[in-house]
Amino acid sequence: QVQLVQSGTEVRRPGASVKVSCKASGFIFSYYALHWVRQAPGQRLEWLGWINVANDNPKYSHKFQDRVTIKWDTSANTTHMELSSLRSEDTALYYCARGYPGIASMDSWGQGTLVTVS
Amino acid sequence: DTQMTQSPSSLSASVGDRVTITCRASQAIRNDLVWYQQKPGKAPQRLIYRASTLESGVPSRFSGSGYGTEFTFTISSLQPEDFATYYCLQHNNFPFIFGQGTKLEIK
Repeated sequence: QVQLVQSGTEVRRPGASVKVSCKASGFIFSYYALHWVRQAPGQRLEWLGWINVANDNPKYSHKFQDRVTIKWDTSANTTHMELSSLRSEDTALYYCARGYPGIASMDSWGQGTLVTVS
Repeated sequence: DTQMTQSPSSLSASVGDRVTITCRASQAIRNDLVWYQQKPGKAPQRLIYRASTLESGVPSRFSGSGYGTEFTFTISSLQPEDFATYYCLQHNNFPFIFGQGTKLEIK
């Protein structure tokens, strides 16, 4: 079955960077895109971007474009999301999720990774 | 960006009640809208896609409708396991935008 298993809790100081991983299994990766979505305490879900696994092409929300990098590691079947210049407002639960490339929604999600900036 | 306005932000209801949640898009998005259910400490679960298509295995008491800018999500007869937070998501254009969520609580 489809599984997206994320890395563990992270704590960072303001100004630092964080890298969160999401290992995929149970589906043909090249058919899909892998998204990153975050949820700050008491806030709505917020889309950061995705990577099209077939062509390794990322797409980012303009809000995060200068701070986020999303990559796919073919050897490890893992997507990584790195967020730089962290501030307290980046404290959130970060999710990876699967969807078809293009304008398609996400159908399966990882368990979430808590990132605390303090 | 296409902004999504979801209402109400919270809703108190009883088991057996019918409830409706609305999402309004700031521009037309065809039927590129989905509804997610999120329970505390869990990832969102997609219930409805293409505005009105029920995900496999989701009970038929859940339904969705709408096209363009106005969308509704209905639970016909609330069950205890339905008390959760519900989000709409527009995926017609980038960036994808979620509604602010509706927290459904037991009266």
